[in-house]
Amino acid sequence: AQTVTQSQPEMSVQEAETVTLSCTYDTSESDYYLFWYKQPPSRQMILVIRQEAYKQQNATENRFSVNFQKAAKSFSLKISDSQLGDAAMYFCAYRSGVDSNYQLIWGAGTKLIIKP
Amino acid sequence: DGGITQSPKYLFRKEGQNVTLSCEQNLNHDAMYWYRQDPGQGLRLIYYSQIVNDFQKGDIAEGYSVSREKKESFPLTVTSAQKNPTAFYLCASLSGGLANEKLFFGSGTQLSVL
Repeated sequence: AQTVTQSQPEMSVQEAETVTLSCTYDTSESDYYLFWYKQPPSRQMILVIRQEAYKQQNATENRFSVNFQKAAKSFSLKISDSQLGDAAMYFCAYRSGVDSNYQLIWGAGTKLIIKP
Repeated sequence: DGGITQSPKYLFRKEGQNVTLSCEQNLNHDAMYWYRQDPGQGLRLIYYSQIVNDFQKGDIAEGYSVSREKKESFPLTVTSAQKNPTAFYLCASLSGGLANEKLFFGSGTQLSVL
């Protein structure tokens, strides 16, 4: 069975600095998707970024980028120029590429604190 | 505005009582999902529905029931058989084709036991 591990329960960063959140996963599949979701204090989950395993290029969305290391099964999220609005829980998630029901496997989350 | 509406925001259950959480979407999405979120844990799938009048159990369906009589609505009932119902419940719907799939979430319902 696939698993997703976020080893950092909490991280803090100074405003305008860069922070990296870690995520590792375990799978025997070659076709899959990885996601980072943000859950702000409003508690509504928001998709930050997604990565297809077959793509070697790391996904980027404005200040958010990933470091996808397929062999190491690592999928870290880098937030550049951190802003106060980035404070939230961040969840890493995995989806099998052969799953037609779109079932995600979620990590336990990392709480990101932004220091002004 | 299109989106997912969950109600109520807070709900209290007495022992032995069934309670129903509402989830409505106006995004015209076929697939809908219910997740449970506990502190320090990732989301866990309770039930999902890919089409009207059809739904499937997720990883933790025991003690819960759902219906999908309309495309827009996917209510979740927490029955008295669920012995530890205190949690945050999130409803989601899925948009897009295979390459562009995206989950849209509601704002959640916090369920507590009196």
